[in-house]
Order: sequence, then structure tokens, then C-alpha cells
Amino acid sequence: KAGVTQTPRYLIKTRGQQVTLSCSPISGHRSVSWYQQTPGQGLQFLFEYFSETQRNKGNFPGRFSGRQFSNSRSEMNVSTLELGDSALYLCASSSPGGRNSNQPQHFGDGTRLSIL
Amino acid sequence: AQKITQTQPGMFVQEKEAVTLDCTYDTSDPSYGLFWYKQPSSGEMIFLIYQGSYDQQNATEGRYSLNFQKARKSANLVISASQLGDSAMYFCAMRGYDMRFGAGTRLTVKP
Repeated sequence: KAGVTQTPRYLIKTRGQQVTLSCSPISGHRSVSWYQQTPGQGLQFLFEYFSETQRNKGNFPGRFSGRQFSNSRSEMNVSTLELGDSALYLCASSSPGGRNSNQPQHFGDGTRLSIL
Repeated sequence: AQKITQTQPGMFVQEKEAVTLDCTYDTSDPSYGLFWYKQPSSGEMIFLIYQGSYDQQNATEGRYSLNFQKARKSANLVISASQLGDSAMYFCAMRGYDMRFGAGTRLTVKP
């Protein structure tokens, strides 16, 4: 069974540009979450999608957005890039479940975004 | 609000010894799940173990066990018989309204 696939693996952009990152979940997983990981802030939750609907959203500005397609693939977009957006962006998929669900999130290898 | 705290930025352990990584959490939600993940230097996040808030027994998965003390809101990870390959960052996480991760503990296993 293929794991979570994130593309691209590495990306270099300049301030003010926008970027789109892609995530293909494990087959059969309908829940996709996105995280930003930085040395200073650690792992921070961006948003979660389930059945093409955003289910939860973290505390990030509106420049960060996402969507999910009918095949459960997800994209996240960051507009008007800032230097502080340099980070590892991780996507995770899971079988949907409630708060006490024992279904773990399975992570992709991430996209490392560098802003110059 | 949910909060996860890992107070040990770094830990060292001798190969073949046991080590405990601390994790405390704060939530007012009676229903939640607790997870531990391992992140080696290569970057991938690897799921290790899960504990549900209603589980009566501590979770175990091979050399990993979770010391769950609900009243103290702690969910410490115990790794028995440490191996060199256990050297990595370890994250505690809680699923409630969303998924929150602690700051992580960097474990180094010494030969």
C-alpha cells in the first residue's frame, strides 16, 4: 500500500510569490491534515479536510488556504510568501474518526519550502 | 484550549537501558486520544503508540509502552532496551478538536 505522497520535496520561492503544495493520501483515507514544522515553533496544525470540506483550522493567517478533491487528494496554497513561511510542510492522512479515535495519522515526507 | 507539554528538550540513554520521555497535556474534553511519534533525522514521522482517554490499561507496542496517568494528565513514553536506531526526535500528540503536538524530545542513544 503506497504511503502519503507529497510533491514537490523541495521548493525555493521569493517573498511575495505564492506556492501550491500537493498531497496524495493513502488509498482509502479520506481525512487529510496539514502541518507546518519549524525549529522555533515546532509542529503546528494548519487545517484538516474530510470529504472535500475543511473540518478544522489552526491559527494561521488567511494567506494559508487549502482544498481537497473528490479523490481525497489535497493541496495547500500560501499566497504573498514571507520569510517566516520557510518551513517543512507535512501532510498526514488517516481513516476518519472522532476525538477518541485510535486511527493514527500517517505522514508524508514533507515539502521543504525556502523563502529567499 | 488543548495543550501538550514535553519538558525534556534532550535526553541521553545508554544502549540497552530503558528511558522515559515525559508528556503532559491539558484539555477539558473528556474524550481524546494520545499518540507518540518518532521523527528520525531523515524527517519522516513514524507512529509508535496510541492511548485513548477511556482506555483502562496502558498501551504497549513491542518495546514501547505508554504510562498513562489520567488524573495527572500525563502520558509518558517508555522505551525498553534502547537501540542505537532509537536516536530521534519524539513527539507526543493529542487529538481532540484538532491534533496538537508537543515541542518534542531529542533522544540520543549512546553505545
